[in-house]
Amino acid sequence: GEDVEQSLFLSVREGDSSVINCTYTDSSSTYLYWYKQEPGAGLQLLTYIFSNMDMKQDQRLTVLLNKKDKHLSLRIADTQTGDSAIYFCAENYSGNTGKLIFGQGTTLQVKP
Amino acid sequence: ETGVTQSPTHLIKTRGQQVTLRCSSQSGHNTVSWYQQALGQGPQFIFQYYREEENGRGNFPPRFSGLQFPNYSSELNVNALELDDSALYLCASSSTSSGNIQYFGAGTRLSVL
Repeated sequence: GEDVEQSLFLSVREGDSSVINCTYTDSSSTYLYWYKQEPGAGLQLLTYIFSNMDMKQDQRLTVLLNKKDKHLSLRIADTQTGDSAIYFCAENYSGNTGKLIFGQGTTLQVKP
Repeated sequence: ETGVTQSPTHLIKTRGQQVTLRCSSQSGHNTVSWYQQALGQGPQFIFQYYREEENGRGNFPPRFSGLQFPNYSSELNVNALELDDSALYLCASSSTSSGNIQYFGAGTRLSVL
């Protein structure tokens, strides 16, 4: 099946770490992605991880991949008010590498 | 900024009309994908174009069609517009030589009245 699930809302204090979680169903996905969407804007690619990796770090962002449980997480260190946005997890459907399957998005609210 | 540009940014149409949305891909990219994002939802894959041909399609009716041009730019056409077609339409470009990592434009907001 094709399904990506995310929790809908996360609220953190400025300076804290944020962890956004995602589960997916296609165990043959090649890449898994995190995109950020600010109000009224398109999708910004934050990071992606190849399916044979367990972890990827990019400045304040850390992605963890647990293939056994089909679980992906995005940790944002030292969260800032500018990080407030909707975060989408996506997998590329193995049957067609051009098709990304997105979750519903997690709204991250950062309080000062 | 990704280098993927979409036009127009906003569009208002009435039910039954036809609409064309345009996308210029990022330099060096040869593949374009289109997505529909309804309010409060994640994007849904419409189709992808590679070498000027449709290369995969999501669960959308035939009144959604597209084109890709030799310069890799693309159009999305929607005929017989319905109220439920109101959404943000996103274009993404990618390169088959770089793992098909998709970079999105800012989208076209379509309102059908």
